[in-house]
Amino acid sequence: QKEVEQDPGPLSVPEGAIVSLNCTYSNSAFQYFMWYRQYSRKGPELLMYTYSSGNKEDGRFTAQVDKSSKYISLFIRDSQPSDSATYLCAMSSGGYQKVTFGTGTKLQVIP
Amino acid sequence: DTAVSQTPKYLVTQMGNDKSIKCEQNLGHDTMYWYKQDSKKFLKIMFSYNNKELIINETVPNRFSPKSPDKAHLNLHINSLELGDSAVYFCASSFQNGLTDTQYFGPGTRLTVL
Repeated sequence: QKEVEQDPGPLSVPEGAIVSLNCTYSNSAFQYFMWYRQYSRKGPELLMYTYSSGNKEDGRFTAQVDKSSKYISLFIRDSQPSDSATYLCAMSSGGYQKVTFGTGTKLQVIP
Repeated sequence: DTAVSQTPKYLVTQMGNDKSIKCEQNLGHDTMYWYKQDSKKFLKIMFSYNNKELIINETVPNRFSPKSPDKAHLNLHINSLELGDSAVYFCASSFQNGLTDTQYFGPGTRLTVL
């Protein structure tokens, strides 16, 4: 079993839809949870970061962490064609421990 | 201003050759990383350096040798290139201040081994 599981998609949605992206993980030591967005032929860029359980909102993006279920989510409201990218979840136990990435979910928002 | 830069952006070479990829960050970060992203987009860490010291060394063939001349630079040298080395290699950096591991990535180097 991989430490971090993420559905690779692709996920196609119409413009304006609410998008839900998810990851599950097996390592209970993970405390830092991140979502990265990667456009085609570009490096990943940090989108959202949360520590431990709870919700965090930033504009159209909401990140949720449920440590009891080992499940994290990223919601995108009013999705735009410019949101079309691959979204990678990432997590770490902190300090000098490595960050483990999911395989990424490819999202396409259709105008 | 480029935060994390890598050179070259594209690298096409023959099997058996030796090549280097350079990375520089101007963010003042203490920690730098090398990642390999395969054709299925799986991003896997290879090495991590903190203030020029190696702190993470995943199971990587010893044909790959990182070098950090100072904390703003982390280069990757690859000996005897193999077909399976074809991938996109990303350099990244982070503050590593104990509160967050948020990493800032370079644009990637697309390596093709023929």
